Amino acid sequence: GNSVTQMEGPVTLSEEAFLTINCTYTATGYPSLFWYVQYPGEGLQLLLKATKADDKGSNKGFEATYRKETTSFHLEKGSVQVSDSAVYFCALSVLEYSTLTFGKGTMLLVSP
Amino acid sequence: ETGVTQSPTHLIKTRGQQVTLRCSSQSGHNTVSWYQQALGQGPQFIFQYYREEENGRGNFPPRFSGLQFPNYSSELNVNALELDDSALYLCASSYDSKQGNTIYFGEGSWLTVV
Repeated sequence: GNSVTQMEGPVTLSEEAFLTINCTYTATGYPSLFWYVQYPGEGLQLLLKATKADDKGSNKGFEATYRKETTSFHLEKGSVQVSDSAVYFCALSVLEYSTLTFGKGTMLLVSP
Repeated sequence: ETGVTQSPTHLIKTRGQQVTLRCSSQSGHNTVSWYQQALGQGPQFIFQYYREEENGRGNFPPRFSGLQFPNYSSELNVNALELDDSALYLCASSYDSKQGNTIYFGEGSWLTVV
């Protein structure tokens, strides 16, 4: 089956620190990969995506590269801000119905 | 702002009751999916509707049912509510059910079963 594994949180950083949130996956077929962000009390917002191997998704200073050889899609940001505090979900979709399989989420807490 | 709107935003029900949640998809989107997100967990796929037909279903019992209307809005119905049904219910819309298409989520409906 399909599954996504993320590093457990919370990840606690000071403002301007470097962020990495690890994500690995298993999939039947060739998946598309996504990062979603959920701010407190809100729904999910698409942060970035990649649809084929070696593609790099990027948005708002966040980046992730689709690594087929290591089945990974790690999220990185060079300098985090307090406003980045949220829960980050890695997800994949494969051919059937384009539905998303999510990881459990990683909470990021950034302090001033 | 994703253009996907859900109602109600919060509700409390008693065990054994029935609930209906509603979703208006983003303009032009013909595919609606529903997800259940328990506290501290990632969302779990319930089912998807494409052009008014159920197009896929996750590992949820038949008391979870849905509808999609000609304007592509959708309802999620849950019968015989159980305490474990307490969760955030998310609606998501996209154009066609193709892999890689961007899926937009609403802000969700918080259901508490007591």
